[in-house]
Amino acid sequence: AQSVAQPEDQVNVAEGNPLTVKCTYSVSGNPYLFWYVQYPNRGLQFLLKYITGDNLVKGSYGFEAEFNKSQTSFHLKKPSALVSDSALYFCAVRDEAAGNKLTFGGGTRVLVKP
Amino acid sequence: NAGVTQTPKFQVLKTGQSMTLQCAQDMNHEYMSWYRQDPGMGLRLIHYSVGAGITDQGEVPNGYNVSRSTTEDFPLRLLSAAPSQTSVYFCASSYSGNQPQHFGDGTRLSIL
Repeated sequence: AQSVAQPEDQVNVAEGNPLTVKCTYSVSGNPYLFWYVQYPNRGLQFLLKYITGDNLVKGSYGFEAEFNKSQTSFHLKKPSALVSDSALYFCAVRDEAAGNKLTFGGGTRVLVKP
Repeated sequence: NAGVTQTPKFQVLKTGQSMTLQCAQDMNHEYMSWYRQDPGMGLRLIHYSVGAGITDQGEVPNGYNVSRSTTEDFPLRLLSAAPSQTSVYFCASSYSGNQPQHFGDGTRLSIL
């Protein structure tokens, strides 16, 4: 069965500092990986995805993520965080061998302080 | 282009009542899903559909029913509401399982 772990419930970072949100996954086939962001009282918004190809994926709002197959990780990064990046971030995985189901991690709350 | 529209936005039910959460999308997406979001548990898949007339169970399907008679609509039915079904429900759609999902703004449901 596919699974996703986001080991940190909350990440605090000062504005202008680098931001990293961790994600590890478990699948039996090839992974399709996604990052989403959720602002209060809103649905999730897509940030970026990894399907195949370059291990470094660039997405919306200056975010990027690095796919590491040996460590089964897909950490989200931003070189310089903004106060407006404060939100709830979700990692998700779909196992190519397991049909169309998408599995989400528990979410990581990011708080960027001025 | 409205995207994914969910109605109602808020609902309070009594235990044992039934209701239908509506979801409509205008992007001609084949793939639609229903999730519930509970604190600390992320989103859990309830049911999904890969096209009109085709539905399948997700991770937590018990107590919920779905149908997909058209490409645009994917309603979620609570058969007999229970307090454990108090949650925020999200509908999402995409062109396929490999493509990013577009989410509605959710329905906040309380069961008393």
